[in-house]
Amino acid sequence: DADVTQTPRNRITKTGKRIMLECSQTKGHDRMYWYRQDPGLGLQLIYYSFDVKDINKGEISDGYSVSRQAQAKFSLSLESAIPNQTALYFCATSTPTGGSVDEQFFGPGTRLTVL
Amino acid sequence: GNSVTQMEGPVTLSEEAFLTINCTYTATGYPSLFWYVQYPGEGLQLLLKATKADDKGSNKGFEATYRKETTSFHLEKGSVQVSDSAVYFCALSSGGAQKLVFGQGTRLTINP
Repeated sequence: DADVTQTPRNRITKTGKRIMLECSQTKGHDRMYWYRQDPGLGLQLIYYSFDVKDINKGEISDGYSVSRQAQAKFSLSLESAIPNQTALYFCATSTPTGGSVDEQFFGPGTRLTVL
Repeated sequence: GNSVTQMEGPVTLSEEAFLTINCTYTATGYPSLFWYVQYPGEGLQLLLKATKADDKGSNKGFEATYRKETTSFHLEKGSVQVSDSAVYFCALSSGGAQKLVFGQGTRLTINP
């Protein structure tokens, strides 16, 4: 079974609709992240959370909100979807290892299309 | 701010060819550097990393050396296989926030 799962894997919606993307992990990691991937732009950080009570904005948080319901769950919401939010969305997790940088583990992604 | 620039893709090679994917970065301080790989339909996986100047990261036949003087972390493999077909991302992490900054990705296709 995958350690980081995302639901749904694909979603088509209309402009103005509210959408929630969900991420669950069984790795026991405290840190979770949401990224979006656009062709030719790599991944951009939307929000990140270092524990249940800690939520931080990333580079491109406008138009998005998140909820950390539990250590294992981190949801991304688009309150009113617009076409330029069409992208591939990735959830990732990490845990401090005492080293300088921690590896991030990614889910399989959710492909969102906003018409 | 911090940024990563990768060579433009897509890159198409024949099996057993030598691979180089260029990556350069701009960062304050002393970043850690990474290569992630994304196989079709999957999320990103860490391929290799280097945390200080002159470190060489290696995995699955791939190598990259952290070159501070040229601010580069080029990915190389001596003999590629069809199974290496994927999108490769160079990334850096700087500072205590554990945030990754990614390059735009390079799509690699290996033909038999």
